[in-house]
Amino acid sequence: EAQVTQNPRYLITVTGKKLTVTCSQNMNHEYMSWYRQDPGLGLRQIYYSMNVEVTDKGDVPEGYKVSRKEKRNFPLILESPSPNQTSLYFCASSRTGNNEQYFGPGTRLTVT
Amino acid sequence: AQSVTQLDSHVSVSEGTPVLLRCNYSSSYSPSLFWYVQHPNKGLQLLLKYTSAATLVKGINGFEAEFKKSETSFHLTKPSAHMSDAAEYFCVVTLKTGGFKTIFGAGTRLFVKA
Repeated sequence: EAQVTQNPRYLITVTGKKLTVTCSQNMNHEYMSWYRQDPGLGLRQIYYSMNVEVTDKGDVPEGYKVSRKEKRNFPLILESPSPNQTSLYFCASSRTGNNEQYFGPGTRLTVT
Repeated sequence: AQSVTQLDSHVSVSEGTPVLLRCNYSSSYSPSLFWYVQHPNKGLQLLLKYTSAATLVKGINGFEAEFKKSETSFHLTKPSAHMSDAAEYFCVVTLKTGGFKTIFGAGTRLFVKA
């Protein structure tokens, strides 16, 4: 089954404790992206990747890191999480950057 | 600056009546435009997309949208609402700016009354 998977689905952590949210797709898509969803703001793009080793900032990249060492994986790293990063995070992939994006199920992160 | 504005944060209709969800965009580039739907506690699903082939785009579940370049609008419509249409709808623009940046509107919550 074609899908985007994210892990973990739920995470509660404390300020400053480094964490990684994994994202993997099995559709051989070139484009992958991370978003955060906050009430009243829609989804905002954090980082995106056009292909392996090619990443670029979205609208809200501060406090986040990404890497794209393999085509199928695009982890999101929070090196020192803060409470304002409490949010619902979605990973997505598409064949190219202007095609339909397929979304993962979301990761709900709470930073206390 | 590029932006997407969904003109209504909430829309309420009765079952069987038409649905109109409004979206305006501003962009210095030729955009690709999409509508996605998010049902409660679910992920996002593509409804339809515009990529310059035709200005009237048909999507799933009876939805369609018309691209009007002169008005920079991409409004979503459906002739007859169904209870299962109750969800949040997002208008989305992707812009080729070197890479491809994606901008979501803030969303419109659609309520359908019996």
